[in-house]
Amino acid sequence: DTAVSQTPKYLVTQMGNDKSIKCEQNLGHDTMYWYKQDSKKFLKIMFSYNNKELIINETVPNRFSPKSPDKAHLNLHINSLELGDSAVYFCASSQDPGTEYEQYFGPGTRLTVT
Amino acid sequence: QKEVEQNSGPLSVPEGAIASLNCTYSDRVSQSFFWYRQYSGKSPELIMSIYSNGDKEDGRFTAQLNKASQYVSLLIRDSQPSDSATYLCAVNKMGGEYGNKLVFGAGTILRVKS
Repeated sequence: DTAVSQTPKYLVTQMGNDKSIKCEQNLGHDTMYWYKQDSKKFLKIMFSYNNKELIINETVPNRFSPKSPDKAHLNLHINSLELGDSAVYFCASSQDPGTEYEQYFGPGTRLTVT
Repeated sequence: QKEVEQNSGPLSVPEGAIASLNCTYSDRVSQSFFWYRQYSGKSPELIMSIYSNGDKEDGRFTAQLNKASQYVSLLIRDSQPSDSATYLCAVNKMGGEYGNKLVFGAGTILRVKS
């Protein structure tokens, strides 16, 4: 069984479109995250949710809107896609938002905006 | 100064040798440190976590932490070609009012030659 799963794995779309990425974890963790890895492979946090509540919101354009329907699911909706949004988006989860808890990553969603 | 710095490499070592990967961080109050391995096209995989000064060993991997020098390293003994990957150093720090975030280095590419 996959611990942290994401759909879709690949997403190719045109500028201006709206798209969503979904994430699910079956680890029983309370905290979930969205990270973006750009073309230079630099991995940076975007959002974090703890028990459906947004706790970290980094400097991300408001075209990006996360939603957590329950603590096992975290979705990312992106409006008006731009070329610069092309990247790999990783979902991750941890038991607790405390600094000592390890984070486990999903397989990633490679988004290509043309 | 970057929050987490790593030499981008590539670091090339012969099979069976010890690979030494280094990382420095800027925030003195950071308490938790992680090493992730990322194969090309795959997601980051947690291989080591360390929280206290000194060494922590797990199989062929040893993590070393020196908080006074703000330095964390990863040693891989008996390096194998399958260890060839990008190794990401991550430092956990509090983000916002509540919750932690991982700050990643840019990663070191390791190549193990058979």
